[in-house]
Amino acid sequence: GENVEQHPSTLSVQEGDSAVIKCTYSDSASNYFPWYKQELGKRPQLIIDIRSNVGEKKDQRIAVTLNKTAKHFSLHITETQPEDSAVYFCAAFTSGTYKYIFGTGTRLKVLA
Amino acid sequence: DVKVTQSSRYLVKRTGEKVFLECVQDMDHENMFWYRQDPGLGLRLIYFSYDVKMKEKGDIPEGYSVSREKKERFSLILESASTNQTSMYLCASSLRSMNTEAFFGQGTRLTVV
Repeated sequence: GENVEQHPSTLSVQEGDSAVIKCTYSDSASNYFPWYKQELGKRPQLIIDIRSNVGEKKDQRIAVTLNKTAKHFSLHITETQPEDSAVYFCAAFTSGTYKYIFGTGTRLKVLA
Repeated sequence: DVKVTQSSRYLVKRTGEKVFLECVQDMDHENMFWYRQDPGLGLRLIYFSYDVKMKEKGDIPEGYSVSREKKERFSLILESASTNQTSMYLCASSLRSMNTEAFFGQGTRLTVV
């Protein structure tokens, strides 16, 4: 079946440094790629997304890039802050099947 | 503001009990999902539904069933709870017509003893 691989599983960075999380998807028909942030004890919430007709999208300190040929997409967080500490999930959605398939998550720790 | 509400935040049930987890959304979304969240395994899809009375198996449907009698409500049923079903359960909903985000409920932490 479809799957999404996510790396790394944990990531520690110093405050102010950049963080990169990478995902690879298997279903070439996937056409929508959201990223979610889940703070401790809270529900996952969307932070940025990208559709398959776009290669890059940026929103202030976060950006997402998509390489459809390689079936890779990545989350980039610049100038990290302690409040960026959370678990981040990538997902791939295929409109023909209505399914969101999630990666296994990355625990990001931003050290002050 | 989209709201996805799960009926319980915490549940403790005994092995062999039939367990119902309820989810309600107020945004007229066609798609609804049940995920299970375990450390190191991410969010795994149990079942989803793209319309009333429609259901599709996800990646880990064994031991679970679902019911969608009304558009706004999607129920997850554990027919005979087992200790390996102890987990965090997350419900989500989304529009079917567009590729848009899924909105999550607050989660139900189920413990089976």
